[in-house]
Amino acid sequence: QSALTQPASVAGSPGQSITISCTGTSSDVGGYNYVSWYQQHPGKAPKLILYHVSDRPSGVSNRFSGSKSGNTASLTISGLQAEDEADYYCSSYTTTVTYVFGTGTKVTVL
Amino acid sequence: QVYLVQSGAEVKEPGASVKVSCRASGYSLSNYVIHWVRQAPGQWLQWMGWINTDGNTKYSQTFQGRLTFTRDTSANTAYMELSSLRSEDTAVYYCARERSSGTYFEYWGQGALVTVSS
Repeated sequence: QSALTQPASVAGSPGQSITISCTGTSSDVGGYNYVSWYQQHPGKAPKLILYHVSDRPSGVSNRFSGSKSGNTASLTISGLQAEDEADYYCSSYTTTVTYVFGTGTKVTVL
Repeated sequence: QVYLVQSGAEVKEPGASVKVSCRASGYSLSNYVIHWVRQAPGQWLQWMGWINTDGNTKYSQTFQGRLTFTRDTSANTAYMELSSLRSEDTAVYYCARERSSGTYFEYWGQGALVTVSS
């Protein structure tokens, strides 16, 4: 199972919006609405920020939103803040009852 | 409050095995699926597999028979054992709890660094 494809890095200024893509296949991203997103600060464990494409867990800022079109899911961070600087990973359930993660995106706040 | 507390860092020689533990607190381990995920230095997350509420397991084909998940429900602890270690297995190993029928990883352990070096 190949990793989902994400851009290596995305940058934005405070207050701006950025979008991170996550491209898979019809066997994972395109086949189910089971895409989740995780935020990881250096040296820390990943933290769930979105599940089922666009649902937010309790306590996660509404500045994080998600969508999906075909085999590509997207995470949008609006009103970018310094604390959003981190690595972001998408994940998808697959047709073989397994999971796959994305290659990760480093978000830099300029 | 749900916590997953993992065992400490380990250093192993090539060819050896390592066993990492993941102790659950705040809930019963037998009621939720536990996944294992690893992250090599500077690399992305890699899904390894799961152990479900019945004790059944699913492994990523990447590990081709080197991987074993077990659990001790009396100790509320899950275990991941990786054998025939090679340098490429150097990574932080995480356990994560799946949301009930959720297909996502709701809670994560703090990670356990395994270094494979001669």
